[in-house]
Order: sequence, then structure tokens, then C-alpha cells
Amino acid sequence: ETGVTQTPRHLVMGMTNKKSLKCEQHLGHNAMYWYKQSAKKPLELMFVYNFKEQTENNSVPSRFSPECPNSSHLFLHLHTLQPEDSALYLCASSKSGLAGTGELFFGEGSRLTVL
Amino acid sequence: TQLLEQSPQFLSIQEGENLTVYCNSSSVFSSLQWYRQEPGEGPVLLVTVVTGGEVKKLKRLTFQFGDARKDSSLHITAAQPGDTGLYLCAGAQGGSEKLVFGKGTKLTVNP
Repeated sequence: ETGVTQTPRHLVMGMTNKKSLKCEQHLGHNAMYWYKQSAKKPLELMFVYNFKEQTENNSVPSRFSPECPNSSHLFLHLHTLQPEDSALYLCASSKSGLAGTGELFFGEGSRLTVL
Repeated sequence: TQLLEQSPQFLSIQEGENLTVYCNSSSVFSSLQWYRQEPGEGPVLLVTVVTGGEVKKLKRLTFQFGDARKDSSLHITAAQPGDTGLYLCAGAQGGSEKLVFGKGTKLTVNP
């Protein structure tokens, strides 16, 4: 069983839908991240939460809204997305927010398709 | 501008062959990580290198960090089908919480 669990694994939504991605980590880590993985592009950091506080918003459009109710759970709320938002959304956690010195533990990802 | 360039982008080899993949940049990194991502999975950390010139071995995998801490290489000896996956390098720059990822090298090892 992976230490970072993401649901759903696959999601298809229309541009007017509202949906949410969920991430839960069982590793006792203090930092959680959302990354976007698109074909032919590097992994893009979207948001960082450290001890439930958002410490990084990498110029992400407001149609993506993160929520971190506690250090173990992270959500990504999706609203009026565009087809170009179709991608694999990866959640990750680390012991602290200093990802450069620590290891990122990734979930299996949520494959999003926007029609 | 791509901060970390990985090459080759795709590599398909036969079982038993050796291979090297590269991660290059014009920027200096305080540390560099290599991840492997298998189809349908998230990336998994293989190694972290922090010292210029450092060489780390993980069974058949050998990782090297360049002397100037701007580049890294991953060498696999006697590749096996289980080595198939996307190999990602990620660099950290001092004082930043961001890990910068390359686009990856997609490796296929055919039996």
C-alpha cells in the first residue's frame, strides 16, 4: 500500500462541472504538494502546503482551488476547467517543506480529462 | 527556457545492454535527485546527490553529479525489463522550496 493515496484515479469532466481531487498521506509528513504532469512537459509545481499553510502558489489559475484541512489531507477543487487542463495530477508529501533537501513521496496520480 | 535538459528523450534497448542518460543545466544546484516513474504510477526517488563529483551506486545503477553541480548522469549496467520507466531528474536550488524537474527520459528495455 502506497503511503500517499489519491482519488479518483481517473476523472472525466465537462468544462462546466465542479469536481475535486483528494489526496491522503499516511507518512506523518508535514508538507504536501500538487504537481501537474502533461505530455512533453516537465512536472509543474502548483501548490505547496507546509503545516497546513499554503507556502507556494505557482501562478496557478483560480479555476484550481486547493484546500488543506490538516497535514494528512489535501484537496484540489476544480471548476470551469479548459481542455488544456487535461493532465495527470500528482500529489506528493515530504517530511518538511524544504523539498530541495528531502525526498518527495508521490501518489499514483489522478488522470483528468476535460471535454 | 528549460532549466534541466534530459537526454535522450526516448531510449529503447535490448535486455542486457548498458545505457547512460543525462541531465544537464547551465544553472548550479545544491542537490539533484533522480526519480523513476513506471506506467500508471507516481515517481519514486532513486537517489539524491549533493556533492560535486559524487558517485553513488544502487545495484546496477550508477549516478554521478558533475564537479560544477550543473549536470548529472545515470548509467545502467545490464538493463532488465524491470528498468522500463520514465527517469526524471530534479534539481534543488539553495533557499528555494521548489524542485525543478526535467522532462524525463522514457526508457524501454525489451526482453
